Amino acid sequence: GAGVSQSPSNKVTEKGKDVELRCDPISGHTALYWYRQRLGQGLEFLIYFQGNSAPDKSGLPSDRFSAERTGESVSTLTIQRTQQEDSAVYLCASSSTSGRRYMNYEQYFGPGTRLTVT
Amino acid sequence: AQSVTQPDIHITVSEGASLELRCNYSYGATPYLFWYVQSPGQGLQLLLKYFSGDTLVQGIKGFEAEFKRSQSSFNLRKPSVHWSDAAEYFCAVGGYGGSQGNLIFGKGTKLSVKP
Repeated sequence: GAGVSQSPSNKVTEKGKDVELRCDPISGHTALYWYRQRLGQGLEFLIYFQGNSAPDKSGLPSDRFSAERTGESVSTLTIQRTQQEDSAVYLCASSSTSGRRYMNYEQYFGPGTRLTVT
Repeated sequence: AQSVTQPDIHITVSEGASLELRCNYSYGATPYLFWYVQSPGQGLQLLLKYFSGDTLVQGIKGFEAEFKRSQSSFNLRKPSVHWSDAAEYFCAVGGYGGSQGNLIFGKGTKLSVKP
């Protein structure tokens, strides 16, 4: 079946503008994650959605970052008043939670959105 | 705090040579361990995973990894590297925080392959 998809693949924006990044998870996956990957760095966890539970926002770096998810489908990550330090690749992942706890951690990633703030 | 260390930032090997990428983790219990590969401009692809049981796990593309609890390590190996293996490799750990599923990633090891 289809994997995780993200759009746009590339986004260039001016400092101070707002941007929205979209993620379509694998159909049937109840868990969805956003990560940020800065140049030469590993992935930083941003936010986690699990079904209808309140999202875990503990990784969001500032209140300029927010995310929403409609049910168990599409998610959007919004960055308001973008700054140059927001330039990174934003990766989305999804996983199936079939009742076994460890399944949360087997995540499948999309190709990412490369955000450049000028 | 949980952490993952990949001590080698960049490794170059000759095609056909063996490969070992190192990963050490810091975690108070048995973690869930993963290796991902990222080709240029691509997302991350899961190579292999360890949850429990046999400490030597096999993955895709001929890779394997061994969980060594005493050394807090989960090194990735391949007996004979192919040019197409050139990519960046990330080790990740999970398994804590109740139902939370986020992974902690190392900073990655970039693999170059010489012809």
